Amino acid sequence: QVQLQQSGPGLVKPSQTLSLTCAISGDSVSNNSAAWNWIRQSPSRGFQWLGKTFYRSKWYNDYEVSVKSRIGINPDISKNQFSLQLNSLTPEDTAVYYCARADYGTAGYRGAYDIWGRGTMVTVSS
Amino acid sequence: QSVLTQPPSVSGAPGQRVTISCTGSSSNIGAGYDVHWYQHLPGTAPKLLIYGNNNRPSGVPDRFSGSKSGTSASLAITGLQAEDEADYYCQSYDSSLSAVFGTGTKVTVL
Repeated sequence: QVQLQQSGPGLVKPSQTLSLTCAISGDSVSNNSAAWNWIRQSPSRGFQWLGKTFYRSKWYNDYEVSVKSRIGINPDISKNQFSLQLNSLTPEDTAVYYCARADYGTAGYRGAYDIWGRGTMVTVSS
Repeated sequence: QSVLTQPPSVSGAPGQRVTISCTGSSSNIGAGYDVHWYQHLPGTAPKLLIYGNNNRPSGVPDRFSGSKSGTSASLAITGLQAEDEADYYCQSYDSSLSAVFGTGTKVTVL
């Protein structure tokens, strides 16, 4: 079955860049009916969608407006994974970060997040 | 920052029926976008419970059902069981096609 394995640091200093990776097994990052997302959860903001990368004959990205100036989500086809970079971190970026698949296929889930990683608790502190 | 409003908590005795509301606006649910529901136990990955307003993924018991009307949606759990104790979140989209989530509801089985 499809699984997502997250990796990355749990503690990052303010003003630095967060880098997380989500390795995919059982599916392909180039699946042209899926999108690969990053979502975070914090007590103050609840769940917040951050952005996605997806392949539809070429690669696309969409980002949430409030983080658009400091986020990058990139696929790595050779390793079948995708990554999140979030720069200029502040303590307000402290959250649990999840990667998740959205399936838009004809036998899929109409864009719902059907597969999730287990989450990475990221604390922004000096 | 959650855009969709849910009651903070609902509770019921085993076997009872509980419902969770999810209230949005004309720029998200009311604009015709699908509503999905997730079950979440803290420390674990969220689990897709209902997709496309009223569809259950394979393996989700038929005790769970969803509906949508106007700018709101609802999740119903019938025959409440102890294992249903968890947090539940609705999710839809806004006019910029950004995903938006509900504030979350904690279900307690008495």
